[in-house]
Amino acid sequence: SQTIHQWPATLVQPVGSPLSLECTVEGTSNPNLYWYRQAAGRGLQLLFYSVGIGQISSEVPQNLSASRPQDRQFILSSKKLLLSDSGFYLCAWSGGVGNTIYFGEGSWLTVV
Amino acid sequence: GIQVEQSPPDLILQEGANSTLRCNFSDSVNNLQWFHQNPWGQLINLFYIPSGTKQNGRLSATTVATERYSLLYISSSQTTDSGVYFCAVLTGGGNKLTFGTGTQLKVEL
Repeated sequence: SQTIHQWPATLVQPVGSPLSLECTVEGTSNPNLYWYRQAAGRGLQLLFYSVGIGQISSEVPQNLSASRPQDRQFILSSKKLLLSDSGFYLCAWSGGVGNTIYFGEGSWLTVV
Repeated sequence: GIQVEQSPPDLILQEGANSTLRCNFSDSVNNLQWFHQNPWGQLINLFYIPSGTKQNGRLSATTVATERYSLLYISSSQTTDSGVYFCAVLTGGGNKLTFGTGTQLKVEL
């Protein structure tokens, strides 16, 4: 069966420090991969999605970037964190167009 | 872009009560999913329902794509049903999941 893991689960980072969140999917190949952010409150915002290695689509201009160095690996990064980057970050995958999307456990980021 | 609105935004129920959550969307979609976000933040898939009706235990969902809405029914609610319920729609060729505004549900004893 397919599983998705992301880490770290929680982190507290100072303003201006770098960020790297990692997500991996097991049990499938060539998945669509996503990064979402949930700020204070309830809305989930799509940040990036990828349909293949090296193919990244950015949904909103921001202080973050994403990379997909391997088929089942998706990384969210920042060179210099801002206070506004705090939130709950969720990685997700799907088997392709129109398929069910599944989420990882999430990563809580607090920028201080 | 597509707008996805949910109602009510907040709901408080007594244990054992039934409820209906609504999701309206502004444009045609490829598909629709319902999620439950538990107090720990985990998003749990409830239904994948582009049209028609599905049931899973005390939960059921109906999507009427031609009228651009979906309903989630919770029967005999339990305290473990508490959390935020999201609907999300697939657009952009099926690669983008746009979330609704959510319904915060609290079930009390």
